[in-house]
Amino acid sequence: DVKVTQSSRYLVKRTGEKVFLECVQDMDHENMFWYRQDPGLGLRLIYFSYDVKMKEKGDIPEGYSVSREKKERFSLILESASTNQTSMYLCAATSPTYNEQFFGPGTRLTVL
Amino acid sequence: SQQGEEDPQALSIQEGENATMNCSYKTSINNLQWYRQNSGRGLVHLILIRSNEREKHSGRLRVTLDTSKKSSSLLITASRAADTASYFCATASRVQGAQKLVFGQGTRLTINP
Repeated sequence: DVKVTQSSRYLVKRTGEKVFLECVQDMDHENMFWYRQDPGLGLRLIYFSYDVKMKEKGDIPEGYSVSREKKERFSLILESASTNQTSMYLCAATSPTYNEQFFGPGTRLTVL
Repeated sequence: SQQGEEDPQALSIQEGENATMNCSYKTSINNLQWYRQNSGRGLVHLILIRSNEREKHSGRLRVTLDTSKKSSSLLITASRAADTASYFCATASRVQGAQKLVFGQGTRLTINP
C-alpha cells in the first residue's frame, strides 16, 4: 500500500509567520495534491503537482505556494499565515496508473 | 467548477439497517469515486465507478451512476457501528497529466448500536 505521511498532526502558528507543511510519499507516484478541509465546504484543492518541479494551481491557491524538488516530497507554504488559513490540510498522492488518490492523515493547523 | 454535492448532509440509522447516500454533480466526468473519512483522519478510497458503468459492487457497498441525471448513490448494506464516518463523493477529470478530483461536502453517517 502507498504510504503518505505529513510532518505534523497538529500545528499552532501566529499570524504573519511563514509555515511549511511537508508531505512525503513512498511509492514513486508522479502526482501529488494539497487540499484544505473546512466544515460545510468539503475538500478544496489548493495546488497539485504532476511531476518534479511542476505545479498547477487548484481552486483556492491564494495565500499559498508549493515546492516539489524531489518526487517523494511536496511542500505547502503559507508565506504569511492568516487566521482564515486555520484548517485541516490533507495531502494526497497518485500516479497515472491508478485512479484513486492515497491520502495522508492530515495536519490540523491553527493560526492565532 | 464542477462539484459533487452529497445528500443528506447527515444520516443516523440503527445497526443492521441499510444506509443510502446520494451525490449530484454538474459537468461530464471520467469516473466518480467514493471515499470514507473517520473523524480527524485522512480519506480512504472505497470504490470507483467509471462513466460508462451503471452499477458496481464491493462487499457491502453498492454504487450506482446515472450520467443522464448526473447523480450517483452509495448504498451500505447491513450497517455496523464501525461504518460511522463521513462519506465523500469525488468526480474525476484529467488536467495537465494528473487526474483531478472535486469533492462534495460529505455525508456524516452515524450507526447507532
